[in-house]
Amino acid sequence: DTEVTQTPKHLVMGMTNKKSLKCEQHMGHRAMYWYKQKAKKPPELMFVYSYEKLSINESVPSRFSPECPNSSLLNLHLHALQPEDSALYLCASSQESLHSGQYFGPGTRLTVT
Amino acid sequence: AQSVTQPDIHITVSEGASLELRCNYSYGATPYLFWYVQSPGQGLQLLLKYFSGDTLVQGIKGFEAEFKRSQSSFNLRKPSVHWSDAAEYFCAVAPRDTGRRALTFGSGTRLQVQP
Repeated sequence: DTEVTQTPKHLVMGMTNKKSLKCEQHMGHRAMYWYKQKAKKPPELMFVYSYEKLSINESVPSRFSPECPNSSLLNLHLHALQPEDSALYLCASSQESLHSGQYFGPGTRLTVT
Repeated sequence: AQSVTQPDIHITVSEGASLELRCNYSYGATPYLFWYVQSPGQGLQLLLKYFSGDTLVQGIKGFEAEFKRSQSSFNLRKPSVHWSDAAEYFCAVAPRDTGRRALTFGSGTRLQVQP
């Protein structure tokens, strides 16, 4: 099974809402990632978890709050977002070494109104 | 600092024609190398990867890529393009050590396929 799943597929939220994005993998990977992707741009790294601990935070605003409850799950909690946060949010996972690459989920299309 | 360059923003080829997408990297040591494909509104799919051994690697969907150390390049090729290959293609690199566990992506090349 080389699948990474993400829910929901689409999300529309107001600037005062609180919502969460969810990601799950069952490949036994111990590293998980959140990326943000704007149209016609490459993915931008937001967070990296390694063995369920946050190892990289790319200076992401605190209105984005990641959580890794266990080695298979990754959440991204959203609060007080801005319209410019509208984007495709991608989750990925990998082995500890990146030699096999990262496996990406289908993404959540987020629209902030 | 490491960087990945995809010099072609947009390429148009006719269906059945051959394809080559260019990728150059700047890195302290030879990194792990990858090509990903992304259809509109979708996630990224790993096409192929290089970490050691034969410098010509085969991937899915009939794609191949050649690693050339002397040119710091990892170009993607396909002998005969199909209409379904129209998509965005990203070259990416990752360090071999465990210092920073993250991919660095190129800016992408959008492939359009003409009938």
